[in-house]
Amino acid sequence: DAEITQSPRHKITETGRQVTLACHQTWNHNNMFWYRQDLGHGLRLIHYSYGVQDTNKGEVSDGYSVSRSNTEDLPLTLESAASSQTSVYFCASSEARVAGELFFGEGSRLTVL
Amino acid sequence: EDQVTQSPEALRLQEGESSSLNCSYTVSGLRGLFWYRQDPGKGPEFLFTLYSAGEEKEKERLKATLTKKESFLHITAPKPEDSATYLCAVHPSNDYKLSFGAGTTVTVRA
Repeated sequence: DAEITQSPRHKITETGRQVTLACHQTWNHNNMFWYRQDLGHGLRLIHYSYGVQDTNKGEVSDGYSVSRSNTEDLPLTLESAASSQTSVYFCASSEARVAGELFFGEGSRLTVL
Repeated sequence: EDQVTQSPEALRLQEGESSSLNCSYTVSGLRGLFWYRQDPGKGPEFLFTLYSAGEEKEKERLKATLTKKESFLHITAPKPEDSATYLCAVHPSNDYKLSFGAGTTVTVRA
């Protein structure tokens, strides 16, 4: 069965360190998204990609970057981790560019001390 | 600015006790409204898409309805396995991205 996997599932890091969260999907979807989820907030879009070599900023992109070198993977990098980036991060993919039906990974819980 | 508000924040039900969750939205034109279910420690799972006022969708004990300003998710005769957080998201016609509500956490006791 097709799936979307994230790693690591849990990570603790220190302020200022670079962190990369991996996302791999076998749906063969062109469209991939990174969200963060915090208590009291809805899911907020960080970055998204409509295909290889395409990346776009979402509503909370400061301090984050992504790269898309193939269809399957969209790694999310925190250049210099801050305590405000402590959150649960979800990767998602979709068949349609205008994406309402998203397929989500199981999330990566990041703690920045 | 697009806004999506879900109420209540939490809902505790007895097994078999039907209830409704609300998702009210303010957007400049609606392209679609989506409901997701999220279990603890998991990613959201897509449930329904609604496109226009008056539309209804059903899946097992869940029924979603849509008006011009809000959507309801009705849970009929819930079972403990319906316990989850239910997320609502809207896709405005003038934007590329979804706006998510904060969710309603439903707990169904046996």
